[in-house]
Formats: sequence, C-alpha cells, structure tokens
Amino acid sequence: GAGVSQSPRYKVTKRGQDVALRCDPISGHVSLYWYRQALGQGPEFLTYFNYEAQQDKSGLPNDRFSAERPEGSISTLTIQRTEQRDSAMYRCASSLGDGSYEQYFGPGTRLTVT
Amino acid sequence: EDQVTQSPEALRLQEGESSSLNCSYTVSGLRGLFWYRQDPGKGPEFLFTLYSAGEEKEKERLKATLTKKESFLHITAPKPEDSATYLCAARGLEYSGAGSYQLTFGKGTKLSVIP
Repeated sequence: GAGVSQSPRYKVTKRGQDVALRCDPISGHVSLYWYRQALGQGPEFLTYFNYEAQQDKSGLPNDRFSAERPEGSISTLTIQRTEQRDSAMYRCASSLGDGSYEQYFGPGTRLTVT
Repeated sequence: EDQVTQSPEALRLQEGESSSLNCSYTVSGLRGLFWYRQDPGKGPEFLFTLYSAGEEKEKERLKATLTKKESFLHITAPKPEDSATYLCAARGLEYSGAGSYQLTFGKGTKLSVIP
C-alpha cells in the first residue's frame, strides 16, 4: 500500500514568509508525528497527534511553529515569519496507534529559507 | 532527559566482513528501542523494535540485540547494498497525563560496504 506522503518535497521561501507543510499518513494510521532532521543528525521530535488531538507539542521550538490535523488524517505544519535557522528537512511519520509503536516515515520536505 | 548515543559515527567494511554497531541509551523507563535504516535523500525505514533486555530480532543479514543500557546491530557478511545510515531511537515513559510516543534518535552510524 501507499506509504506516508509529504508535500511539497522542496520549498524555498524568503525570510519572513509563512510556509505550510503537508503530511498524508498511511491509511488507517491514527497517530501522526512531525520531526525535524538536520544534516548528519537523527530526527528531532516536534509534535504528535492521536486522531485529531494534538497530544504533545513539547518539541515545537517556539510559537512561530504550529500544527493541526482537523479531521484526524492529513496534517499541516505551519511556520510563520520564517527565519534562516528554520531551514531543515521536515519529516512526518505515522503509526497504527493503540500501542503499536512502530513509526513509518515519509520522504520529507526540504525547507530552505533565504 | 532521554539520550541516545551511537558509535561509531562511520564504519567502512569490506564485503563479507562482519561487524556491530552500538547504541547506548539513557531513558526513563524504556518503552521500546528502535532501529531504522536511512538511505541518502530518503526517510528512515523501520527495521526492528526491541522491548526488553535479552530480546533479539533478525532480518536477513541483520540482528538486533538489547541489554539494559545498550543495543547492538550485528551485520553478518555485509553486501554493498547494506550501505546506509543506521539510526537508533528510544521511547521512554509518557510525558504528562496525555501520553506521548515521541522517539529520541541518535545521530546514526554511516555504514559503507566496499565490494
């Protein structure tokens, strides 16, 4: 079946602009996670949803970052007033939930802020 | 704070030369130790989950083991197609009453297998 998909795959934006990154999880997966991965590093947790509820947003770096999953499926990570330090690979993952801990990752969105 | 440390950072092996990758973790109440493979330009690909010390899992040339402080990924007779970055991640106790399934990742070991 189809895996986790993310769009766009690449995004170049100017400092100060807002960006929205989209994640479409594996069908039937109730849990969804956002991570940020710097070059040469492992993914770093940002936020987690169970169905439409945002259960943990402890990894969001500041209030310019927000995420939503209004219908419990597709999720959007929004970064307002982007800064150059926001440049990174943003990865989404999903899992079945209900105690299944295996997370399956999407291809990521490469964000470059100029 | 949960921490995961992987070593070595990079490893070059000749084809057929077996070796092991190390993952040391400091996690409050381990709820799972995960291994992923990541190819350049792609997302991490799930390999194994280990839950308790003494547990082992195998897949083709890979075997993952777990102790109370470390996990090892053993690679037997590797082939060039095993070249990738291998990531280790740990999940600890839930945060707050709502629960969280966030993973704490190490920086990875970049494995190169030379024909």
